[in-house]
Amino acid sequence: QKEVEQDPGPLSVPEGAIVSLNCTYSNSAFQYFMWYRQYSRKGPELLMYTYSSGNKEDGRFTAQVDKSSKYISLFIRDSQPSDSATYLCAMGGYQKVTFGTGTKLQVIP
Amino acid sequence: GAVVSQHPSWVICKSGTSVKIECRSLDFQATTMFWYRQFPKQSLMLMATSNEGSKATYEQGVEKDKFLINHASLTLSTLTVTSAHPEDSSFYICSARGRRDSHYEQYFGPGTRLTVT
Repeated sequence: QKEVEQDPGPLSVPEGAIVSLNCTYSNSAFQYFMWYRQYSRKGPELLMYTYSSGNKEDGRFTAQVDKSSKYISLFIRDSQPSDSATYLCAMGGYQKVTFGTGTKLQVIP
Repeated sequence: GAVVSQHPSWVICKSGTSVKIECRSLDFQATTMFWYRQFPKQSLMLMATSNEGSKATYEQGVEKDKFLINHASLTLSTLTVTSAHPEDSSFYICSARGRRDSHYEQYFGPGTRLTVT
């Protein structure tokens, strides 16, 4: 079993939809959680990070962590075509960060 | 957020030559730097991890004599692809991790596209 599981997609949604991206993990030692966005031919860009259970909101993005279920989510409200990218979850412990394989999202105008 | 730069952004070289890629953390001290490789439509593949002043730790299947990593300071790491071959053509991305407040954050560079002809 992989430490971090993420559905690769692709996920296609109409413009304006609410997008839900999810990851599960098996290592209870993970202490902080991140979401990255990667456009084609670019390096990943850090979108959100959190190190506690609960929700963290930043504009149209909300990161949700449920440590008891080992489940994290990224919600995108009012999705835009410019949100079309691959989204990677990542989880970190003291010295190690483990990435999901990424979910490809396409927002259709 | 923190900024990580990479140079060059793209490079074309002939088979058998060596290429050096630089990775710099611009506004924080990177205690650990990572090098990833990404083939088209695939996820990031970790190649090696390096801590400042120490030898890099390579992932299984990555040749340490072919991919030379130097992490001489808290803001600079270099990856040298020696005797490059066409199969080494890929997108190479560095990532820097440092401590902010009570936790670690990790940021990626913009990537370097290597084409070996």
